[in-house]
Amino acid sequence: QLHLQESGPGLVKPSETLSLTCNVSGGTIRRSGYYWGWIRQPPGKGLEWIGSTYYSGSIYYNPSLKSRVTISVDTSKNQFSLDLTSVAAADTAVYYCARSDSSGWSLYSFDYWGQGRLVTVSS
Amino acid sequence: DIVMTQSPLYLPVTPGESASISCRSSQSLLHGNGNNYLDWYLQKPGQSPQLLIYLGSNRASGVPDRFSGSGSGTDFTLKISTVEAEDVGIYYCMQSLQLALSFGGGTKLEIK
Repeated sequence: QLHLQESGPGLVKPSETLSLTCNVSGGTIRRSGYYWGWIRQPPGKGLEWIGSTYYSGSIYYNPSLKSRVTISVDTSKNQFSLDLTSVAAADTAVYYCARSDSSGWSLYSFDYWGQGRLVTVSS
Repeated sequence: DIVMTQSPLYLPVTPGESASISCRSSQSLLHGNGNNYLDWYLQKPGQSPQLLIYLGSNRASGVPDRFSGSGSGTDFTLKISTVEAEDVGIYYCMQSLQLALSFGGGTKLEIK
């Protein structure tokens, strides 16, 4: 059974960089056809897709966050990471990592999710 | 960008009754390959979202058959044929035709 687990600081200061890692176990991140992504949810609000990566390095970003986001993958460790720069209070959210299928031009069917990591932006 | 609109916002349901949630997109989600790029997710209280339906009408693995998805183009419906207490939570639709992926605002199903 595939398992995803987020890790990283739960508190980040304004203007600094939020960094999270998602460890994948129970399966390989190199499995053909699947992307690995990040989705966030501000407290009491809805879901926002941040971006997704393929094991080979092909990456899609949400245009609204693209200037501040970097997603990378480390196949040797079976994990992928998120960096979000210049954070502000509005970036306070639960950050989920998740696996999705690919249509070739987009992504769909997020079928495995991590438990989520609450990151608070505050001084 | 494609905007997703769900209704109703709140849905109180008596166990054993049926329930329907509507999701509308600002652009057609029907691709030339015949698939509608629309997923449904359920976020139970205190949990991560879980996939219920993908490509408009395909139930995800392990999802009970009381859940069904229908619709095409810009209008979609998630139906629960017989609501159970464990179905409480927030239901989200998500369009996957275009990047950036976008979610509806959510429908909160509560048990009366």
